[in-house]
Amino acid sequence: AQSVTQPDIHITVSEGASLELRCNYSYGATPYLFWYVQSPGQGLQLLLKYFSGDTLVQGIKGFEAEFKRSQSSFNLRKPSVHWSDAAEYFCAVGAGAAGNKLTFGGGTRVLVKP
Amino acid sequence: GAVVSQHPSWVICKSGTSVKIECRSLDFQATTMFWYRQFPKQSLMLMATSNEGSKATYEQGVEKDKFLINHASLTLSTLTVTSAHPEDSSFYICSAVQINYGYTFGSGTRLTVV
Repeated sequence: AQSVTQPDIHITVSEGASLELRCNYSYGATPYLFWYVQSPGQGLQLLLKYFSGDTLVQGIKGFEAEFKRSQSSFNLRKPSVHWSDAAEYFCAVGAGAAGNKLTFGGGTRVLVKP
Repeated sequence: GAVVSQHPSWVICKSGTSVKIECRSLDFQATTMFWYRQFPKQSLMLMATSNEGSKATYEQGVEKDKFLINHASLTLSTLTVTSAHPEDSSFYICSAVQINYGYTFGSGTRLTVV
């Protein structure tokens, strides 16, 4: 069975500082990995995804993530955080092709200090 | 881009009544739709997987007679919460999948049962 762990429940970062959100997954084969962002009371917006190829993935809003198979990790990073980045972030893993269910991590809430 | 419309965005109903939530893919045909439930400050929990023209597949612990899912077309899936009770109050999110677009999420429905 697939699973996802996001070790940090909350992260507080100053505006302009860098941000890294951790994600560890468990899956027997090559995973499909996703990062989503959710604002309060809203649905999920896809930031980026990894299926294969280059292990450093660029996404929207200046985010990037690096797939490290040896560490079973897919950490999300942003060099300089903006106040609008305050939100809940979810890492998810899917099995194989699109159409299989996604398993979500517990989420990390990001607070941005002015 | 792929857009999923979910209605209503919020609903308040009396205990014992039924509520229907719609999930529509506006500009693509979805091979599969997923329904998730999210409690406050928690992650998304998959309730069921819905394929057009066939019965939904429910996750363990989800009452299929309470959460009725109908997937009548490639663009519409509905979730009906029957005989709702306060413990059913939650945020419900759908996701539609198409091979070219991947997973697209609706904006969610906040259900409050009073």
